[in-house]
Amino acid sequence: RKEVEQDPGPFNVPEGATVAFNCTYSNSASQSFFWYRQDCRKEPKLLMSVYSSGNEDGRFTAQLNRASQYISLLIRDSKLSDSATYLCVVNKSPNAGGTSYGKLTFGQGTILTVHP
Amino acid sequence: ETGVTQTPRHLVMGMTNKKSLKCEQHLGHNAMYWYKQSAKKPLELMFVYSLEERVENNSVPSRFSPECPNSSHLFLHLHTLQPEDSALYLCASSLSSASYEQYFGPGTRLTVT
Repeated sequence: RKEVEQDPGPFNVPEGATVAFNCTYSNSASQSFFWYRQDCRKEPKLLMSVYSSGNEDGRFTAQLNRASQYISLLIRDSKLSDSATYLCVVNKSPNAGGTSYGKLTFGQGTILTVHP
Repeated sequence: ETGVTQTPRHLVMGMTNKKSLKCEQHLGHNAMYWYKQSAKKPLELMFVYSLEERVENNSVPSRFSPECPNSSHLFLHLHTLQPEDSALYLCASSLSSASYEQYFGPGTRLTVT
């Protein structure tokens, strides 16, 4: 089983649509969770962290369910510029897995295309 | 946008060549990373350096040899690569090895012929 699993998509949605991405992780020792965004042929960039209580940043809402080991990202009122690959990322705290650093594990990514 | 730079951006090399990838960060970070991104696969962590000391070698073949001469520079020396090593190689840095936010460079797209 993959450490971080995402539906690869692609998701094709019209402008203004609401779209949700899901992610599951296998390691219960995972402590921190993130969504990164990667534009075509560009590097990944941090979109937002995901907190246990859920958090919102403008049109983006992230949710975490530790019991189910499940993370989600909701994008409301999609824009053309939201077209990208969205990467689910989890991290174990330093020393939790016997290492002295926090190791990021990336999902395969979910491709989103927003069309006019 | 130029916090982490990588050169070259594109590289084509034969299996018998020796080449090096360079990464430089201008963020004052103490940790640097090499990742490999192949088509339709997740980013794979290759190496982690913290304060110029290698703290992770993620079962990477010896044909990849990292070097971190100081906290701002990271190299990946390549020799006798295989075609399956063709991928995007991404460098990243973070404030410390315990920091979760990593800043990525634009990557070097490597093709091994």
